[in-house]
Amino acid sequence: DTGVSQDPRHKITKRGQNVTFRCDPISEHNRLYWYRQTLGQGPEFLTYFQNEAQLEKSRLLSDRFSAERPKGSFSTLEIQRTEQGDSAMYLCASSTLSVPTTGELFFGEGSRLTVL
Amino acid sequence: GENVEQHPSTLSVQEGDSAVIKCTYSDSASNYFPWYKQELGKGPQLIIDIRSNVGEKKDQRIAVTLNKTAKHFSLHITETQPEDSAVYFCAANRDDKIIFGKGTRLHILP
Repeated sequence: DTGVSQDPRHKITKRGQNVTFRCDPISEHNRLYWYRQTLGQGPEFLTYFQNEAQLEKSRLLSDRFSAERPKGSFSTLEIQRTEQGDSAMYLCASSTLSVPTTGELFFGEGSRLTVL
Repeated sequence: GENVEQHPSTLSVQEGDSAVIKCTYSDSASNYFPWYKQELGKGPQLIIDIRSNVGEKKDQRIAVTLNKTAKHFSLHITETQPEDSAVYFCAANRDDKIIFGKGTRLHILP
């Protein structure tokens, strides 16, 4: 049973560098979500895809952030010119199209970013 | 937009006692209310959910209640066990998204 996988699990970078995270959802899950979680807080919605279409982006997602899901399977989240405030856990989740808003989100274990 | 408030932020209970976590939501259009459990180093995992056409739902030691009029919903864990120690998040749907509360860290004391 392969769940949602995220890579890398941990990333330490210097301020100003670019970083990219990858998420592989559960196969046949049409919806893919990115959330950000900081210490002591709940996951905050960033963006989501239905197949390859990016349907919504949060105001939290500045122009330094870009997400893609080119073939409707895996997704990447890139952060350009990282800032210390970008330090957080970036969580990916997937769900099935048939239950878009009233079904379970399956989360990966997250990619932890530390910006020095 | 939807705002989900959760309290308490930290809760300590003796093993075997019950734990209650309460949440409120702001968007009257919300109709789905899941609860997630997050263990250290892992992503959140769904433990129970409730839809707006139901007032209460139970699954073994876990129960959720929903008061749509007051926009309150609660998680009840009975006969708590050490493995219940974790962070619990309530959530509500808004359009095609799930909006989370800030979480409750539950400690089960021996």
